[in-house]
Amino acid sequence: EVQLVESGGGLVQPGGSLRLSCAASGFTFSNYWMSWVRQAPGKGLEWVAKIKQDGSEKDYVDSVKGRFTISRDNAKNSLYLQMNSLRADDTAVYFCARETEYTNNFDCWGQGTLVTVSS
Amino acid sequence: DIQMTQSPSSLSASVGDRVTITCRASQSISTYLNWYQQKPGKAPKLLIYAASSLQSGVPSRFSGSGSGTDFTLTISSLQLEDCATYYCQKSYSVPWTFGQGTKVEIK
Repeated sequence: EVQLVESGGGLVQPGGSLRLSCAASGFTFSNYWMSWVRQAPGKGLEWVAKIKQDGSEKDYVDSVKGRFTISRDNAKNSLYLQMNSLRADDTAVYFCARETEYTNNFDCWGQGTLVTVSS
Repeated sequence: DIQMTQSPSSLSASVGDRVTITCRASQSISTYLNWYQQKPGKAPKLLIYAASSLQSGVPSRFSGSGSGTDFTLTISSLQLEDCATYYCQKSYSVPWTFGQGTKVEIK
């Protein structure tokens, strides 16, 4: 069974840092682009970042450039999101998602992990 | 960046009704358009990819159409379990952008 499980969310003060993890199983992780997508409470979906199969290419939404870093460890079947200089508007549920090549859709999602930025 | 606009933002329909949701891109995205269903407290689920291809396991009452800038998601006969929020997503070029969502309720 294809599965993605996020962890690492929690309460952090403005300006603080947090590292999210996503453990993948049931598929060949190293064959897929992977993304992080977030959803603020009561709001819509926002794509955050993506990373190529070998980690050689990364893209970010403008609002997190210079603050967030996406990475992966194919040996551990894991995806990460290092979040620095966190702001209140980064408060959201963060989902990791598997991205299909060519059609670039998200065909598998984790259950999400909540990040709350508040003093 | 290309913007995605969904309409309506919400709708209420009866079981068995035909429901149509539209998504408009601010510039042409060919058929690089996907549709997702999200139920409260759950992760989104892929319904339609490449504008009109049905994801495996998704009921055939869901269909998608369109190309260029205008796209449609249709539920041919609304069921109770279709109560959810639906999002379009463009995958033509980064940033991948979602529409603002359409909440579908049952009358």
